[in-house]
Amino acid sequence: NSKVIQTPRYLVKGQGQKAKMRCIPEKGHPVVFWYQQNKNNEFKFLINFQNQEVLQQIDMTEKRFSAECPSNSPCSLEIQSSEAGDSALYLCASSLLGFAEQFFGPGTRLTVL
Amino acid sequence: QQKVQQSPESLSVPEGGMASLNCTSSDRNFQYFWWYRQHSGEGPKALMSIFSDGDKKEGRFTAHLNKASLHVSLHIRDSQPSDSALYFCAVIYNQGKLIFGQGTKLSIKP
Repeated sequence: NSKVIQTPRYLVKGQGQKAKMRCIPEKGHPVVFWYQQNKNNEFKFLINFQNQEVLQQIDMTEKRFSAECPSNSPCSLEIQSSEAGDSALYLCASSLLGFAEQFFGPGTRLTVL
Repeated sequence: QQKVQQSPESLSVPEGGMASLNCTSSDRNFQYFWWYRQHSGEGPKALMSIFSDGDKKEGRFTAHLNKASLHVSLHIRDSQPSDSALYFCAVIYNQGKLIFGQGTKLSIKP
């Protein structure tokens, strides 16, 4: 059973709408990752945090996506203006160290109509 | 750009048989190779990691790394129907992010 909790499991939005998803990492894990898995099962790294600080993010994330991991609150990933190409499974993972095993949640499946 | 190539795309193995999956890194500046398994409707789950040349065994799973050729393989012996899933090779190059291969769909036939 996944110990990384992601909500909601399914999200349906119209084009141009905001889409927000949340992640509670495994207890004690300071490193959090967000990945996008498309319908062809291709993964794309989006952003990662250590505690509340951004370690690395891709250009796409900087422009239309926003993410945060506040202390004592769930991490979140928000797409400001959803596009059809954003339809995918968004996976949150957490780990003890940057190169250690990453524990994945079940994902939030976003459909943009 | 760092890329991870997996083969085959799909594989069918009889129950009790051996499944062999392959993975190659485009960049020799890697830290770890990881193997993840993803069942339908779930997130990926780590099977094992390897970073030294040679074999690493965990139960029915054995990984083999050849650093010179940047190639890693995963062998699953005594395959079970519950092993049917997508298998991903993922490489950590720096800062912890995983670069995933395109996956191998493994089907175990009873």
